[in-house]
Amino acid sequence: DIQMTQSPSSLSASVGDRITITCRAGQDIRNYLAWFQQRPGRAPKSLIFGASTLQSGVPSRFSGSGSGTDFTLTISSLQPEDFASYYCQQYHTYPLTFGGGTRLEI
Amino acid sequence: QEQLAEFGGGMAQPGRSLRLSCVVSGFAFETYHMNWVRQAPGKGLEWLAVISHDGSNIFYADSVKGRFTVYRDNPKNTLYFQMNSLTPEDTAVYFCAREVRVQLHNFMDVWGKGTTVIVSS
Repeated sequence: DIQMTQSPSSLSASVGDRITITCRAGQDIRNYLAWFQQRPGRAPKSLIFGASTLQSGVPSRFSGSGSGTDFTLTISSLQPEDFASYYCQQYHTYPLTFGGGTRLEI
Repeated sequence: QEQLAEFGGGMAQPGRSLRLSCVVSGFAFETYHMNWVRQAPGKGLEWLAVISHDGSNIFYADSVKGRFTVYRDNPKNTLYFQMNSLTPEDTAVYFCAREVRVQLHNFMDVWGKGTTVIVSS
């Protein structure tokens, strides 16, 4: 199985801050990586696929980069609705695997 | 609008069974692969299974292989998850998720709200 390691596991920030979350794959997954946002008690929401392609309707303050084993999710200017948990997920190989998540707090 | 709605969660004793359903609307169910993902209380997301659009290809996570079975009824726009030999470690919110193909990328783009399964004696 491909292990996905996210860091940090939690992050405190303020409205307007720029933050970056890192995701590392246990082996080369090319760019077969997705990012999800999950607010408490809600279903995950797809943000990014292909490591860097924003899903339709996702604000441009979100961006993703990386290829191979190292990936990042950046939020350029935090808004109140961005305080949530974020997960990376590889879809290069079954079983699909998620990172452990990053909880973004005020 | 694409919608997925899970049903069938509840409480079960260890060793018993439950069947989850995921009813979809707003898109051509029979053309999409579908996934099950769960989230234990306070934990992260765990992928469990995928079934191809016609049911001909299925993959499972090791944690549920041999105990859980995914299948679908395309005319009824419904995805199922038969869960047998439940253990307390299966306690979680269970989500169904649509898998979309864009260029060479197959990823989960639409999710249901989830249904809660609690396994306890």
